[in-house]
Amino acid sequence: DAGVTQSPTHLIKTRGQHVTLRCSPISGHKSVSWYQQVLGQGPQFIFQYYEKEERGRGNFPDRFSARQFPNYSSELNVNALLLGDSALYLCASSLGTGGEKQYFGPGTRLTVT
Amino acid sequence: DQQVKQNSPSLSVQEGRISILNCDYTNSMFDYFLWYKKYPAEGPTFLISISSIKDKNEDGRFTVFLNKSAKHLSLHIVPSQPGDSAVYFCAASERNAGGTSYGKLTFGQGTILTVHP
Repeated sequence: DAGVTQSPTHLIKTRGQHVTLRCSPISGHKSVSWYQQVLGQGPQFIFQYYEKEERGRGNFPDRFSARQFPNYSSELNVNALLLGDSALYLCASSLGTGGEKQYFGPGTRLTVT
Repeated sequence: DQQVKQNSPSLSVQEGRISILNCDYTNSMFDYFLWYKKYPAEGPTFLISISSIKDKNEDGRFTVFLNKSAKHLSLHIVPSQPGDSAVYFCAASERNAGGTSYGKLTFGQGTILTVHP
């Protein structure tokens, strides 16, 4: 079975631009969570979606938004990019509401110049 | 406010010996704890987890110990192998008053484990 997939792998954007990151969960998983990992730190929670509804939001500005589609795939959108948004963006999926074991994708490396 | 802390940025161990990675937490609402391993350019890979109703969980070479009174957990790897060299993260999740678990994992900063042949 395929694991969690994310696209693109790498991305370079300019300050002020907008970016969309995509995630496909493991087949049968209904929960998707998004995390941001900056160098030297652990992943920080951004959003969780379960059955297409937002179930949790971390301490991130409104420039960050997400949605989940009927096939349970998800998009993370970031508007008005700042240099500080440069990070590895990780998507994780799980069977239930998500507090249990989560399976991570390889991540999207975003660089903002 | 760092609710999950891994105070050792790095750990170096000889092959065949025991590796002990430590993690402390402050949020008493955390009720499920996980350890992940991460190689460069890959996402975190789940290793082992433990519920707050237990104090020990084993899976092959990996054992996690939980001391709720001290708000401390540790991961023991015995015997350590060079392939275990990676960044190790501990993570925790909590339930709300209604007993529903959140899809939010709170991670520590990570510990770089190096196992020398």
